[in-house]
Amino acid sequence: EAQVTQNPRYLITVTGKKLTVTCSQNMNHEYMSWYRQDPGLGLRQIYYSMNVEVTDKGDVPEGYKVSRKEKRNFPLILESPSPNQTSLYFCASSGGQGAFLETQYFGPGTRLLVL
Amino acid sequence: GNSVTQMEGPVTLSEEAFLTINCTYTATGYPSLFWYVQYPGEGLQLLLKATKADDKGSNKGFEATYRKETTSFHLEKGSVQVSDSAVYFCALKSARPGNTGKLIFGQGTTLQVKP
Repeated sequence: EAQVTQNPRYLITVTGKKLTVTCSQNMNHEYMSWYRQDPGLGLRQIYYSMNVEVTDKGDVPEGYKVSRKEKRNFPLILESPSPNQTSLYFCASSGGQGAFLETQYFGPGTRLLVL
Repeated sequence: GNSVTQMEGPVTLSEEAFLTINCTYTATGYPSLFWYVQYPGEGLQLLLKATKADDKGSNKGFEATYRKETTSFHLEKGSVQVSDSAVYFCALKSARPGNTGKLIFGQGTTLQVKP
């Protein structure tokens, strides 16, 4: 089954404790992206990756890091989480010719609470 | 810059009622337009899309027409069901050079359908 998976689905942590949210897709997609969803704001892009070893900032990258060492994986790293990073996070991917222009498929989401 | 505006929710309807969720956008050029749906506790699923003016996207009884002259992409369904209760997001993606593949989302509209 074609899918985007995220882990963990729920996470409670404390300020300053480094954490990683994993994202993996099995569709051989070139393009991957992270979004955060906050009430009244819709979804906003954090980082994106056009392909392996090619990443760039989205609209709200502060406090986050990413890496793309393999095509299928795109982890989101919070080096020193703060309460304002409490949010619902979604990973998405798209593929094909001009992959970044194609329809994006979303993972199930990771709900993060930073105390 | 590019933006998407959706009607305020929540929208509460009785089963079999007609649904309209308004969506207007601001963008240069000819963006692609999307409706995503988020069922409770789940990630976003693509509901329908349109990539050029006057295109009509349709799926599961939902329809939306890309109206360049009014910069709108309103979602409609003739007869809603309880199972349609969800949050609906309108989104656009720019096709201009330099596009990062970012989806720009509206704030979401919650639909509740009562039996």
